[in-house]
Amino acid sequence: QQQVKQSPQSLIVQKGGISIINCAYENTAFDYFPWYQQFPGKGPALLIAIRPDVSEKKEGRFTISFNKSAKQFSLHIMDSQPGDSATYFCAASKTGTASKLTFGTGTRLQVTL
Amino acid sequence: DVKVTQSSRYLVKRTGEKVFLECVQDMDHENMFWYRQDPGLGLRLIYFSYDVKMKEKGDIPEGYSVSREKKERFSLILESASTNQTSMYLCASSLWGGMGNQPQHFGDGTRLSIL
Repeated sequence: QQQVKQSPQSLIVQKGGISIINCAYENTAFDYFPWYQQFPGKGPALLIAIRPDVSEKKEGRFTISFNKSAKQFSLHIMDSQPGDSATYFCAASKTGTASKLTFGTGTRLQVTL
Repeated sequence: DVKVTQSSRYLVKRTGEKVFLECVQDMDHENMFWYRQDPGLGLRLIYFSYDVKMKEKGDIPEGYSVSREKKERFSLILESASTNQTSMYLCASSLWGGMGNQPQHFGDGTRLSIL
């Protein structure tokens, strides 16, 4: 049972454009939603995270939008740069589970010149 | 910075062998995790540990076991390796954080091939 569904599987965006990656979850007990960024040959690294008491969180060019009623959240990368080319994973967890994460299937982003 | 070190970047083993993957973290984190990463499937949790000698099954524990004898070290064991265990294996650690959520810090992975 896939508890976090992520789309699209791959994405090509021109430099300067907006990259949007979407995730949907099923378990209403989830209360922490991080995004991880993974470069080739490296492990994933935390990019940005949100809790369901806010609808949006912004850090630089990266924004998470959260829709609790729809059980969806998305990552927006503004002014996308070639250095943003990586695989992005959304994830979810619930309090009291030792920070155990359920990951989406990943989105491979390529930013072209 | 937190450093999570996995002992091997690449490993080739034969079917039926007993395989050990080692992971060490240097930040005194209570939690440690083992995932496997496969294209199109994302990261799937195999086992995790929230304290020395404590372990809990993740989503896909079959064919694997783990050992945590010291706080900084978490080992993944493939009891009898099979070809369907060919994958990228990722180790992660995090602070306990009470009842809250703490970010996980990942190693760079071990690409394991079972022939």
